[in-house]
Amino acid sequence: NAGVMQNPRHLVRRRGQEARLRCSPMKGHSHVYWYRQLPEEGLKFMVYLQKENIIDESGMPKERFSAEFPKEGPSILRIQQVVRGDSAAYFCASSPPSSSEQFFGPGTRLTVL
Amino acid sequence: QKEVEQNSGPLSVPEGAIASLNCTYSDRGSQSFFWYRQYSGKSPELIMSIYSNGDKEDGRFTAQLNKASQYVSLLIRDSQPSDSATYLCAGGIIQGAQKLVFGQGTRLTINP
Repeated sequence: NAGVMQNPRHLVRRRGQEARLRCSPMKGHSHVYWYRQLPEEGLKFMVYLQKENIIDESGMPKERFSAEFPKEGPSILRIQQVVRGDSAAYFCASSPPSSSEQFFGPGTRLTVL
Repeated sequence: QKEVEQNSGPLSVPEGAIASLNCTYSDRGSQSFFWYRQYSGKSPELIMSIYSNGDKEDGRFTAQLNKASQYVSLLIRDSQPSDSATYLCAGGIIQGAQKLVFGQGTRLTINP
């Protein structure tokens, strides 16, 4: 039973480029969450999605960041025109319906040069 | 004011002793609480969830919740060097699917 999958595990981008991070939830999980962890800091919520719906995006920066969870395929977190401050570990978590317990993927470590 | 607060540590405990990790939260309406363990460079791993006042035990781990004091704790009995990690406390408003608010984490070191 595969866990939450994320790819790529490491991503290097130059300032101004786009970053696309992908997340496939655990089998049977229909809820996906994205969190960001800056070096030596705690996890910060970004967005919560269900299939084809954004449920809560209260933690998403207003500009350059977007997320989707299409009917088919993985959830995508997209960062346009990356800046050095976007360098962080981005974790995806998933949960089954009606459960608060979230299980995390291995993360994508984004480095912006 | 931070919503979930933890002492960042580091907390150092001798092997075999009880490690006690503490967390307070500011939103009195919070209904669900979680402890995650995160090894350096790795992702958070769910250890315990607790929703009701009192104690919940799972193996060497015991979670304690006191809603009146807005306080959550994690006890690790018979601490092992492999327990050395950062422990993250998280809270949620409801008992269903929702965003979680995490504390800064407490770094725990178990000394052999």
